[in-house]
Amino acid sequence: GNSVTQMEGPVTLSEEAFLTINCTYTATGYPSLFWYVQYPGEGLQLLLKATKADDKGSNKGFEATYRKETTSFHLEKGSVQVSDSAVYFCALSDSNDYKLSFGAGTTVTVRA
Amino acid sequence: SAVISQKPSRDICQRGTSLTIQCQVDSQVTMMFWYRQQPGQSLTLIATANQGSEATYESGFVIDKFPISRPNLTFSTLTVSNMSPEDSSIYLCSAQTDNSGANVLTFGAGSRLTVL
Repeated sequence: GNSVTQMEGPVTLSEEAFLTINCTYTATGYPSLFWYVQYPGEGLQLLLKATKADDKGSNKGFEATYRKETTSFHLEKGSVQVSDSAVYFCALSDSNDYKLSFGAGTTVTVRA
Repeated sequence: SAVISQKPSRDICQRGTSLTIQCQVDSQVTMMFWYRQQPGQSLTLIATANQGSEATYESGFVIDKFPISRPNLTFSTLTVSNMSPEDSSIYLCSAQTDNSGANVLTFGAGSRLTVL
């Protein structure tokens, strides 16, 4: 079945530091990959997505590249801000299935 | 993108009671889903809310415990029945709002239930 394994947190960084959150997946088909973000007190929001191998999703300074050879979709940001403090979820949707499978979530705290 | 409203946003409930959560989408959508997020954990799909037919439940979830209605293409309800403290969670409604084939889901802000 489909599954997502995500780097465990919590992660605490200083402002302007580099952020990486590792995500690997297992899927039976050709999945689409997503990063969702949950800011404190809010619902989940789509951060970025990639629908096929070698695609790079990007948004708000965050990037993730769909790597089929390593079954990975690591999230990166070169210079984080306090406003990036949130819980980040990696997720996948199989091409044959509309359901989303989520990773465990990684809590990121950025300190000024 | 679509906006999803859920209510109540939070509630404190007594053991043995039932609570119905409402989910309203501001546009017609084909697919609607209900997820549960237990404290400190990830999201687990409860069921797919099918318009005009019975919901499709995931393993570990049953209709008697989590009855779902979907009377039209913009509205759904989830009832948490005969609640126990283990049902204390955030319940999230979501809908497939992207027609590009990437299965992007939009989520409501969630309903945080605490069962005493």
